[in-house]
Amino acid sequence: KAGVTQTPRYLIKTRGQQVTLSCSPISGHRSVSWYQQTPGQGLQFLFEYFSETQRNKGNFPGRFSGRQFSNSRSEMNVSTLELGDSALYLCASSGDRSSYNEQFFGPGTRLTVL
Amino acid sequence: AQKVTQAQTEISVVEKEDVTLDCVYETRDTTYYLFWYKQPPSGELVFLIRRNSFDEQNEISGRYSWNFQKSTSSFNFTITASQVVDSAVYFCALSFYNQGGKLIFGQGTELSVKP
Repeated sequence: KAGVTQTPRYLIKTRGQQVTLSCSPISGHRSVSWYQQTPGQGLQFLFEYFSETQRNKGNFPGRFSGRQFSNSRSEMNVSTLELGDSALYLCASSGDRSSYNEQFFGPGTRLTVL
Repeated sequence: AQKVTQAQTEISVVEKEDVTLDCVYETRDTTYYLFWYKQPPSGELVFLIRRNSFDEQNEISGRYSWNFQKSTSSFNFTITASQVVDSAVYFCALSFYNQGGKLIFGQGTELSVKP
């Protein structure tokens, strides 16, 4: 079974631009969560989607948005990029909406904002 | 407050030493779940174990063992006879019954095992 895939793996953008990151969950998984990892703030929850609906949202500004498609693939968008958005963005998928479920993480997209 | 604290930022040991990674959590909820994940240099988080708040049984899996104590709000992780391949960042995380896939992570402990 293929794991969680994220594209692109690396991205360089400049301040003010916008970016879209993609996540393909494990086949059959319907829950997709996104996390931001930075050296200063650590791993922080961005949002979770289940069956195309945002189920949960972390404490991030509205510049961060996401969506999920009918095939469970998810995209995350960041508009008006700031230097502080430089981070590793991790996506995780889970089989259902249970909080007890193991989440499977992808390799991440490393975003650098110049 | 819902919080996870991993007070040890970095630990360095020599191969074959035992090492314990500490995790302390804060919550007023009675139903919650605790996890440990490993992040090797490749960056991908790897699931190690989960525990629900009603199951205080300790667990052993090979060289890994976990000690869950509700009385001290701790969920510590011990690696016995450490190996170089154990070098990674280890994260403790917390989730709640009504919050789906949201994981609250500790800051992580970077373990370096030297030959």
